[in-house]
Formats: sequence, C-alpha cells, structure tokens
Amino acid sequence: ETGVTQTPRHLVMGMTNKKSLKCEQHLGHNAMYWYKQSAKKPLELMFVYSLEERVENNSVPSRFSPECPNSSHLFLHLHTLQPEDSALYLCASSHSTTGESYEQYFGPGTRLTVT
Amino acid sequence: AQKITQTQPGMFVQEKEAVTLDCTYDTSDQSYGLFWYKQPSSGEMIFLIYQGSYDEQNATEGRYSLNFQKARKSANLVISASQLGDSAMYFCAMREAVYNQGGKLIFGQGTELSVKP
Repeated sequence: ETGVTQTPRHLVMGMTNKKSLKCEQHLGHNAMYWYKQSAKKPLELMFVYSLEERVENNSVPSRFSPECPNSSHLFLHLHTLQPEDSALYLCASSHSTTGESYEQYFGPGTRLTVT
Repeated sequence: AQKITQTQPGMFVQEKEAVTLDCTYDTSDQSYGLFWYKQPSSGEMIFLIYQGSYDEQNATEGRYSLNFQKARKSANLVISASQLGDSAMYFCAMREAVYNQGGKLIFGQGTELSVKP
C-alpha cells in the first residue's frame, strides 16, 4: 500500500448506529488530519493530530470522536449522527504541522450517508 | 471574511488549449504557502503545486504553473495543453505560518473544470 488509504470507501448508517472510519498513511508523516467535505461547501478541517497528540479541534460535535493510536493510523468514531452529517470525509497526512510549506496528502475519502 | 476566493464555479476549455483558474487570498501574514489541489470524481484530493510567499519565481510542475502576484494577492493556476483527464474540481488553499493553527489548510470553494474533446 502506498500513500494514504481510507476504509470504508462508502458507508450508509442509521442515526442510532455506531461506526468507525479508518485512515492509514504509509508516508512516514508525523501529522494527520480529518476533513469534512459537504456539497457546495469548502473543505472543513475537523481534527489535527501531531505525533499522536490532538492539536486542533475545530468545534466539532461530540458525536464525532477521533482516535490516533500511532502516527500511521487515524480513526473517526461516529455515533448518533444526523442526516446533515452526510458528506465526504477525507483523511490527510503531512510531514509536520509547523511551517507553511508542507503539502498534505489526501486519501480517497469515505462517502458517508446518514439515513 | 473569506480567506480564499475562487470566483469561477465552472470553466470549460478545449482539449490542448491552456486554461487559467483564478484564486485570490486574504492574509495579513508575511509568511504563508499557497497550494492547488485537483479532485476528480473519485474524491481523492491530489496535490498539484505549491508557492511560498517568499518565492520570487512562479512555481511550475510539468503542465501546471502558478501565476503568483503577491501585491494583488492572487495565485492563479495555469494548465497548459489541457487533456481530457484534467476534467475535475480544482481547489486553491492557503496555510499561514505565524499562527500555524496546527497546519490548517484553508480551502476555496473550488472550480469545476470540464475539458471538451
């Protein structure tokens, strides 16, 4: 595997379900990110982890719970979601969170539909 | 206030022609980075090109070049010799360095490019 992978690619869940999104990066990066992309809106940063420590939480509802067990893996645990949470969830990684030059590499995303 | 503005929701270009996608940004930071990403219908965001605020030369990567006009705060993407595979959404993004905000990238609304055969 190369780059950034995400599973599952598609997920349909009911409002009372609990599910998890998984992200894995094979680039040796130290920082990982979760973004939400809703239709007709710019990407919204949700969470940032640097060396497994959360450094940013962009006022995300508690029904989204991130977990970063090591610098290669990132999870997003979902519970009691709302229909408006339906979106494309993108994971990204970068060499570092500091400095302005490090590009972020994105995974293919998980298309989430909440019914 | 909108930090990244992409004023073209959709663009059409004939195959083999060049196209310019507009991006303007707003920052009071002296040090920042500008990025362009491509998002095909598959969903993955693909990094294309980077321009640092202190770079004197415009960035180029193959058929992609960035027309950086610092005084006007614009960072337009130029794609030369368009190909059918260039049809996708294109996003301009910025990262500010003074208060790095955990490496936060601020994205524009995107421009949908369609290449006609």
